[in-house]
Amino acid sequence: AQSVTQLDSQVPVFEEAPVELRCNYSSSVSVYLFWYVQYPNQGLQLLLKYLSGSTLVKGINGFEAEFNKSQTSFHLRKPSVHISDTAEYFCAVSLTDSWGKLQFGAGTQVVVTP
Amino acid sequence: ETGVTQSPTHLIKTRGQQVTLRCSSQSGHNTVSWYQQALGQGPQFIFQYYREEENGRGNFPPRFSGLQFPNYSSELNVNALELDDSALYLCASSLDSGANVLTFGAGSRLTVL
Repeated sequence: AQSVTQLDSQVPVFEEAPVELRCNYSSSVSVYLFWYVQYPNQGLQLLLKYLSGSTLVKGINGFEAEFNKSQTSFHLRKPSVHISDTAEYFCAVSLTDSWGKLQFGAGTQVVVTP
Repeated sequence: ETGVTQSPTHLIKTRGQQVTLRCSSQSGHNTVSWYQQALGQGPQFIFQYYREEENGRGNFPPRFSGLQFPNYSSELNVNALELDDSALYLCASSLDSGANVLTFGAGSRLTVL
């Protein structure tokens, strides 16, 4: 079975500073990897996904993530955050033949302050 | 295109009661997955419906059941509610060929007293 560990439960960051959210996964087979964002009282919105190919994935709102197979990591980065990036961020993994069945991490709360 | 809509948005039940939550999938999507998100946790996969059949189930007891209708909308039913069932229930739709790209609804928040 696969699992996901988000290494930080909360990340405080100042506006216009860079941020990195760490995600490690474990799986004995190939997986797809995802980052979702959840704003207060809303559902989840897909930021980006890694299915295959280039290990650097660019997503919406200036976010990017790098897939590192040897370290089984999929860290999310943004070079300059805005107040509006305050939200909960979830890393997720699924088997390549199991569409819709995601295993989520516990989430990282990003709090951006002026 | 319309997104995923869920109803009701909030509801309160008492222990032992039954609840039905509803989900309309995004236009063109034929697969619906349900997730439970307890407070402060990540979503947990409950089950998935594809072509009106259950297509995979997470670690949830049989009192969690579902349906998918010919128009691909779906229901989640929970019997004999327990306090620990209090959570945000998220519905997500996708295409079977969509390589796991889910479109989530805003959720139904269930409180069990």
